[in-house]
Amino acid sequence: GQNIDQPTEMTATEGAIVQINCTYQTSGFNGLFWYQQHAGEAPTFLSYNVLDGLEEKGRFSSFLSRSKGYSYLLLKELQMKDSASYLCAAMDSNYQLIWGAGTKLIIKP
Amino acid sequence: IAGITQAPTSQILAAGRRMTLRCTQDMRHNAMYWYRQDLGLGLRLIHYSNTAGTTGKGEVPDGYSVSRANTDDFPLTLASAVPSQTSVYFCASSDSTISGGADTQYFGPGTRLTVL
Repeated sequence: GQNIDQPTEMTATEGAIVQINCTYQTSGFNGLFWYQQHAGEAPTFLSYNVLDGLEEKGRFSSFLSRSKGYSYLLLKELQMKDSASYLCAAMDSNYQLIWGAGTKLIIKP
Repeated sequence: IAGITQAPTSQILAAGRRMTLRCTQDMRHNAMYWYRQDLGLGLRLIHYSNTAGTTGKGEVPDGYSVSRANTDDFPLTLASAVPSQTSVYFCASSDSTISGGADTQYFGPGTRLTVL
């Protein structure tokens, strides 16, 4: 079956760095997406990886290892506004997204 | 407007009633999607449409129907609502080609539906 695993909740301190891990199993693979979702709002796109390696975009970076079925989202210089849920989604061979349940990130001052 | 709009924002519905959730996008995206989001679960695909005039079933299609008469609109209908359909519903669109493509999905603001 198809499955996405990510931690339910993480806590970090303002100004610090946090890494949110995601492992996936899909029928075929056409890339890995990360979305941010603030409480009561819609998911918004953060990053897309289809090749192995690290993609950096400002304070946020995303890493992919296709051989290990593994990705992580790295958030640097954490700000209070980064408190949100982070959703990992893998695209299968039919170009459909398989979603994880999301990781709720709590930022403490 | 720019992006995706959904209506209503929220709704309380009696079980057995019929309800249509509306979704409109102005980005001229080919593909559109309906998801439901429940606490502790990932987004689950209900129905999708790769292009106007075509629709397909997702992971949880039972009890729901969709139509895609034109590029912009993708309404979701609950023919006879049941309490298990209480959820937050998100519409999304992407600029995928007809043959498929790994394009980013953009989401509407969601409809919070409660079925009593």
